[in-house]
Amino acid sequence: DTEVTQTPKHLVMGMTNKKSLKCEQHMGHRAMYWYKQKAKKPPELMFVYSYEKLSINESVPSRFSPECPNSSLLNLHLHALQPEDSALYLCASSPTGPGRRGNEQFFGPGTRLTVL
Amino acid sequence: AQSVTQLDSHVSVSEGTPVLLRCNYSSSYSPSLFWYVQHPNKGLQLLLKYTSAATLVKGINGFEAEFKKSETSFHLTKPSAHMSDAAEYFCVVRKSGGSNYKLTFGKGTLLTVNP
Repeated sequence: DTEVTQTPKHLVMGMTNKKSLKCEQHMGHRAMYWYKQKAKKPPELMFVYSYEKLSINESVPSRFSPECPNSSLLNLHLHALQPEDSALYLCASSPTGPGRRGNEQFFGPGTRLTVL
Repeated sequence: AQSVTQLDSHVSVSEGTPVLLRCNYSSSYSPSLFWYVQHPNKGLQLLLKYTSAATLVKGINGFEAEFKKSETSFHLTKPSAHMSDAAEYFCVVRKSGGSNYKLTFGKGTLLTVNP
């Protein structure tokens, strides 16, 4: 299995809802990432998990809460989001710790989130 | 600090003609460089990467890029464009070694392929 999967593909939620995004990889990768991408912009890094521990939080608001239950799974829990949080949320993984030379990231197809 | 400049926000070519997408980078250290492609409503797919081995890097779907240190460039080329190449392309740089995790993305180049 050489891909990163994300569910759901699309999500519409109200500002009072609680929802979760899920990401899964079975490539044995030990680093996983969440990115946010607005239309016609490059992805922006949100969180990095390395060996199942949160190693980087790019000053993301607390209404976004990541979780890494095991080495294959990464969740992003959403609560009390704002309309400006509407975006494509991308998950990625890389073989080892993110600092390794040429350690490219493999991206999932993303979840298109709309906050009403 | 590192940065990436994609010199064209939009490139339009005819099917069967060459493609050139330009990228210049700035990095204090020997960088790793990547090109990713993103088709509409899709995730990013790695086209190719440079990691200080051969300066001419071949990727998937007939794309290649040449690392030119003297020019701090990493332009992406393809001899003959196909309709399926129409997409957004991102040039990406990452500082090598240490605990650096962060990919620095260019702003992207939208490639349009005309029949």
